[in-house]
Order: sequence, then structure tokens, then C-alpha cells
Amino acid sequence: GENVEQHPSTLSVQEGDSAVIKCTYSDSASNYFPWYKQELGKGPQLIIDIRSNVGEKKDQRIAVTLNKTAKHFSLHITETQPEDSAVYFCALATGGFKTIFGAGTRLFVKA
Amino acid sequence: NAGVMQNPRHLVRRRGQEARLRCSPMKGHSHVYWYRQLPEEGLKFMVYLQKENIIDESGMPKERFSAEFPKEGPSILRIQQVVRGDSAAYFCASSPQGLNEQFFGPGTRLTVL
Repeated sequence: GENVEQHPSTLSVQEGDSAVIKCTYSDSASNYFPWYKQELGKGPQLIIDIRSNVGEKKDQRIAVTLNKTAKHFSLHITETQPEDSAVYFCALATGGFKTIFGAGTRLFVKA
Repeated sequence: NAGVMQNPRHLVRRRGQEARLRCSPMKGHSHVYWYRQLPEEGLKFMVYLQKENIIDESGMPKERFSAEFPKEGPSILRIQQVVRGDSAAYFCASSPQGLNEQFFGPGTRLTVL
């Protein structure tokens, strides 16, 4: 079945630095790859997504890259700010609408 | 445009009682998903519903758990005879017809004493 591995589990960066979170998956039929940000006590919030026919997508300080051959995708946050501190989840969907989530990365941005 | 609404936000039950969690999707959304999140863990898919139909319940335990999304009213996740292991945050998400993007509610935190 579908499986997604996410690394690292914890990431600490200095304010202004970049943060990169990587996910790998096994099912080549996966075609939709969203990223979610979850703040303490809240539900996950969709921050960016990418589909299998695109290799890269950018939205201001956030970018996502997808390598379908290698079956991995990454989230890049540039010029990090303290308010970026949260747990980030990668996810994927295969054909239908069932979405599988990674285990999460806890990002700390130190001021 | 109100987002996904869940109630109650916090629910405390004793072992053996029933828990009912409600989810109202975003306006115009016809797909509802339920997920469970244990502390310090990711979200685990439970069930995917459309109006009056269960599309995929592969992540839901066969016993004690059930879900519905009636023609009128919110989606309900029902847990019968709760046990301590059911303590978790339960999130509902909704999406428009034919699209993958899922929008999450604030969750219901269930505590079983």
C-alpha cells in the first residue's frame, strides 16, 4: 500500500536561514502531493501542493519540488521567521481522494 | 465563508460510553474525510464519505467505529464503548467535488477516562 517517509523529524534553524524537509514514497501511481502546517492545538492548514505533471512550484517564501523518478518531494522555506515554527506534514494521494500523511517535522525557528 | 466546523472541540468520556463527533464541511464541499491523530504523531486516515455514501473506510476499525454523512446535516463519527486507546484528536476535512485539496477543521480532542 501507499507509504510516505518524512525527514527530519525535528529541524532547528536560525531566523533568516532556509529549511528543507524531504519525503519519499513508494507508490508510483501517487499524483498529488500537498504540504500542511499544523500549529499547536489547531488543525492542519494546506500551505502548498504540487501535482505529478509539475516539477516545482513556488509561493513567496515556500517552494515544493517533486522528483517522480526518484519518488521524493521536498518543501523549502526561505528566510525563515519565528512564526514559521510549527509541525509540517507532507502527504500524498493516489488516483482517488484518500490521502496518506508523513509522520511530521517539528520546525523550530530561533530568533 | 466559514471553514470546516467541528464540535465539540473537547470531549471527555468514561470507558464504555459512546462518543459522537460532528463535522460540518465548508459550503459547497461534498466530500468529507476523518483522520485520527495521536500525540506527537501524524494523521491516520480513517474514512472518506460523500453525501449518503461511504466511499473508503479502510482506515477505520471494524468494531465500535462508524461514520455517516447524511443528506442533511453534519457528518458524524461515532465511537461506541470507548476505551482509553481511543483518546486522540479527531480531525475532519472536506474538499470540493472532484478535487484533491482538503481543508481541515480544528479537531475534536477526545479524552477517555
